Amino acid sequence: EAEVAQSPRYKITEKSQAVAFWCDPISGHATLYWYRQILGQGPELLVQFQDESVVDDSQLPKDRFSAERLKGVDSTLKIQPAELGDSAMYLCASSLEGTVNSPLHFGNGTRLTVT
Amino acid sequence: DAKTTQPPSMDCAEGRAANLPCNHSTISGNEYVYWYRQIHSQGPQYIIHGLKNNETNEMASLIITEDRKSSTLILPHATLRDTAVYYCMWNNNAGNMLTFGGGTRLMVKP
Repeated sequence: EAEVAQSPRYKITEKSQAVAFWCDPISGHATLYWYRQILGQGPELLVQFQDESVVDDSQLPKDRFSAERLKGVDSTLKIQPAELGDSAMYLCASSLEGTVNSPLHFGNGTRLTVT
Repeated sequence: DAKTTQPPSMDCAEGRAANLPCNHSTISGNEYVYWYRQIHSQGPQYIIHGLKNNETNEMASLIITEDRKSSTLILPHATLRDTAVYYCMWNNNAGNMLTFGGGTRLMVKP
């Protein structure tokens, strides 16, 4: 079964540094999502793409977070500068259409630790 | 917000059926109910989804009440590998957002 690929699997960075995460969705999936999951909580949506366009980034802290999906395929999420409170699992997911009848498929995430 | 209510934790004996409830009283008429599960240190895994009718696949069954305000995920013969956090959720039609709640931590015991 095709999978959503994410890298790196783990990242440790010092506060005020820049950090980036990469996601390659399942081939043919038009919709891509980035989630943040703090330990012990459910995932929280940060940004949703339809092809290369942002559909929703209302929960993305835009002063320090940015996301792009330039060619409508893979995507990068960046944090600059990182803060201690950004320590979390960052999950990428994709779906075929992004409609109400289209399940999400998740990668295994990048666990970020900010020291 | 697309809010769901689930019990924070449940236990189930291995080999028995696990019935996980979810309340989604504000769901709209054309929004599907989804269930995912998350095993420690992995991303959430899709299990099943449905609109009005009960659904079954190789992993589980989904029972949705007639008024669609609640649903139950059934794992017919739970195994130790089914120990995970189970999330019930649905799309928010306004923005295609998928909102996770706190989930139910299912512990399957030998």
